[in-house]
Amino acid sequence: EVQVVESGGALVQPGGSVRLSCATSGFYFNIYAMSWVRQAPGKGLEWVSTIGGSGGSAFYADSVKGRFTISRDNSKNTLYLQMNSLRAEDTAVYHCVYTTTLTIGTTNYYGMDVWGQGTTVTVSS
Amino acid sequence: DIQMTQSPSSLSASVGDRVTISCRASQGISHFLAWFQQKPGKAPKALIYATSNLQSGVPSRFNGGGSGTDFTLTISSLQPEDYATYYCQQYSGFPLTFGGGTKVEIK
Repeated sequence: EVQVVESGGALVQPGGSVRLSCATSGFYFNIYAMSWVRQAPGKGLEWVSTIGGSGGSAFYADSVKGRFTISRDNSKNTLYLQMNSLRAEDTAVYHCVYTTTLTIGTTNYYGMDVWGQGTTVTVSS
Repeated sequence: DIQMTQSPSSLSASVGDRVTISCRASQGISHFLAWFQQKPGKAPKALIYATSNLQSGVPSRFNGGGSGTDFTLTISSLQPEDYATYYCQQYSGFPLTFGGGTKVEIK
């Protein structure tokens, strides 16, 4: 059974940093893409970032580009999200998502599958 | 960016009703469309991928259809456990984008 469990959420001051972790089990972590999706209080879902299985490809929403960095440690089956220069609008529950990859020709398509319960980041002074 | 527009934003229905939720993409996304169900305080759950394929364990009363820019999620006979918010999401290209959600409430 695929399991993903997030941790690291915190109350952070504007301009501060936090690193989220996502521990995984139940699948061959190193061959699967992974994603982060966030949900601000009372709002809908917003994709944040996706990383390929090898870690060689990473994609970001414009709202976080240059401030957030997605990474993975395949030896630990763990996904990370380093969040810097945090703003009030980054306040949200951050979900880690097991992501499948479909390759057609030279193009990869990333489908989100199993979601973790999420970890809460609150940016406030 | 591809904008995803869901309608309605909310609906009220009774147990046993047939419910249809629409999702429109601002440009063609082929069949790269997924649906998710979220209950209050819970993580989203994947229901459908590639427009019409049920994820493992999803009841057959859920049905997805469409192509190009217009898609639907139909629940053939609404059950008490189906009251939730539903989101469509395109994965034709980055940035990946979600619809605004449709809240299905008890009538």
